[in-house]
Amino acid sequence: AQTVTQSQPEMSVQEAETVTLSCTYDTSESDYYLFWYKQPPSRQMILVIRQEAYKQQNATENRFSVNFQKAAKSFSLKISDSQLGDAAMYFCAYSGGYQKVTFGTGTKLQVIP
Amino acid sequence: DTEVTQTPKHLVMGMTNKKSLKCEQHMGHRAMYWYKQKAKKPPELMFVYSYEKLSINESVPSRFSPECPNSSLLNLHLHALQPEDSALYLCASSQEGLRGLGDTQYFGPGTRLTVL
Repeated sequence: AQTVTQSQPEMSVQEAETVTLSCTYDTSESDYYLFWYKQPPSRQMILVIRQEAYKQQNATENRFSVNFQKAAKSFSLKISDSQLGDAAMYFCAYSGGYQKVTFGTGTKLQVIP
Repeated sequence: DTEVTQTPKHLVMGMTNKKSLKCEQHMGHRAMYWYKQKAKKPPELMFVYSYEKLSINESVPSRFSPECPNSSLLNLHLHALQPEDSALYLCASSQEGLRGLGDTQYFGPGTRLTVL
């Protein structure tokens, strides 16, 4: 069974600074996708970024980028120029197919003004 | 339009009540999902509908009964719930209802359910 581990229950960052959230996963599959989802206190889960395992190039979306290390099964999220609106719970997630997504336990990010 | 809507936003029910949660999407997605989320925990998958047929049931108690009347609508019928069923219930949808590899799931805002 696939597992997703987020070892940082909580993180904090100063506004305008950079923060990196960690995620590791375990799988025996070679073809899969990885996601970072954001869930603000208003609770709607929003996709931040998606990485396809067969692509070596790290995905980026504006201030959000990932460091995908397939051999190490690591998938960290870097948030640059942090903003107050980035404060949320961040979930790392894995999809190996058949509609199932495995979520990590989440990292609560606090942004300090 | 990447919106998934859910009604009601909040629901309080007694253990003998029957109620339903509703979810709707108009993105043409053919897979729809129900998740249960407890506070400060990740979502737990309950059911998956693919092309309007139940494809995954994660051993959910029978007091939860899903229904997919058409490709845009997903219901969750509730009956004889327990206080421990109190949680946020999230609906999601995605493209490609078959293998589903890599499908980005779009989530609704959820229904906050309280069982007294």
